[in-house]
Amino acid sequence: QEKLVESGGGVVQPGRSLRLSCAASGFIFGSYAMHWVRQAPGKGLEWVARVSYDGSYKYYGDFVKGRFTVTRDNSKNTLYLQMDSLRVEDTGFYYCATRIEADFDYWGQGTLVAVSS
Amino acid sequence: QSALTQPASVSGSPGQSITISCTGTSSDIGGSDSVSWFQQYPGKAPKLMIYDVNDRPSGLSNRFSGSKSGNTASLTISGLQAEDEADYFCNSYTSNGLYVFGTGTKVTVL
Repeated sequence: QEKLVESGGGVVQPGRSLRLSCAASGFIFGSYAMHWVRQAPGKGLEWVARVSYDGSYKYYGDFVKGRFTVTRDNSKNTLYLQMDSLRVEDTGFYYCATRIEADFDYWGQGTLVAVSS
Repeated sequence: QSALTQPASVSGSPGQSITISCTGTSSDIGGSDSVSWFQQYPGKAPKLMIYDVNDRPSGLSNRFSGSKSGNTASLTISGLQAEDEADYFCNSYTSNGLYVFGTGTKVTVL
């Protein structure tokens, strides 16, 4: 049973940094690409980033503009999202999702990031 | 990349069929076979309903079907049920290797 558990969210001031984690289990984590997707409260979904199965290829949404970095540690079955220079508009739920048989086929429950002074 | 355009709301009575549209450009939907649809209940994570335009994950109800024509993709829900009341989002892979979601549609079962 594929399972994803995000953590690391919280309240942070504008301009500060936060690192999110996504712990994976129930599948061979190191064989599949992974995504980060976010959702502002009451708003739609926004794709954040994708990383290849081995971490060698990384792609980001246009809004990231060099502020976020996606990485993975296959020895720990964990996906990360390092978020720097956070803005108020980065507030929302952050989900990790798999790419096993299809893009975004399994999702975690999300972790809430609140950027506020 | 701009979000794909979906109607804000669609409604139908139990047993009816409804269709949700998702309009993009030739750089996303029009040029991609990787179009997906997601269902999301309030306070819950999204769930994949359709991938690769018209494929369903195993175990998913065949009341949900997808299609694409030009730059517009569609999700059809047949035999509408109360449990189908949720938000629905489309997604497309783009020509520059990125992804874009739709604006979202709230489905109401009357």
